[in-house]
Amino acid sequence: DGGITQSPKYLFRKEGQNVTLSCEQNLNHDAMYWYRQDPGQGLRLIYYSQIVNDFQKGDIAEGYSVSREKKESFPLTVTSAQKNPTAFYLCASSSGWGKGQYFGPGTRLTVT
Amino acid sequence: QQQVKQSPQSLIVQKGGISIINCAYENTAFDYFPWYQQFPGKGPALLIAIRPDVSEKKEGRFTISFNKSAKQFSLHIMDSQPGDSATYFCAALTYNAGNMLTFGGGTRLMVKP
Repeated sequence: DGGITQSPKYLFRKEGQNVTLSCEQNLNHDAMYWYRQDPGQGLRLIYYSQIVNDFQKGDIAEGYSVSREKKESFPLTVTSAQKNPTAFYLCASSSGWGKGQYFGPGTRLTVT
Repeated sequence: QQQVKQSPQSLIVQKGGISIINCAYENTAFDYFPWYQQFPGKGPALLIAIRPDVSEKKEGRFTISFNKSAKQFSLHIMDSQPGDSATYFCAALTYNAGNMLTFGGGTRLMVKP
């Protein structure tokens, strides 16, 4: 059963703590992406990776970090430097040129 | 700078009616225009997409109309059903920029029974 999995679905953290969100895909896609969605808003790109061991900042990378050590995995760390971390985080992947992006189910992070 | 503008923000349609959502873009370098459907608490799902060399694409009850000269495209949902109630996002993608997607702000559609 191919797809993108994100875990956990809900995550709660105290302010000042770093937290890592998991994203795994078994679609053999080269490119992976992280987006942030705030209530009633569109999606904003945090980071993306087109190939293993390489990643680029998106529009709102400040306060976030990523790694891409394996093709299947692209974890996102929300650091304590992120001023407003409470949001719905979406991971996506794409097989390459001319192909759309496919999204995981999302992780809702709440920081108090 | 919002490169893809989507309207309306919300839309209420009676069951069996036609839902129309419009998007306008500025960057002529966009190569691909997908629409996504998102249900509450779920990730967006790719619904239908079009390339700029095509003026219309139809898949079932969903049709994209594309006007390259006006830099506008729209989603038409025919015979709208309560199960179509969701948030719809238009997007635009640039191939030579890592398949980067630029999203519109979204339209919350409610189809009344």
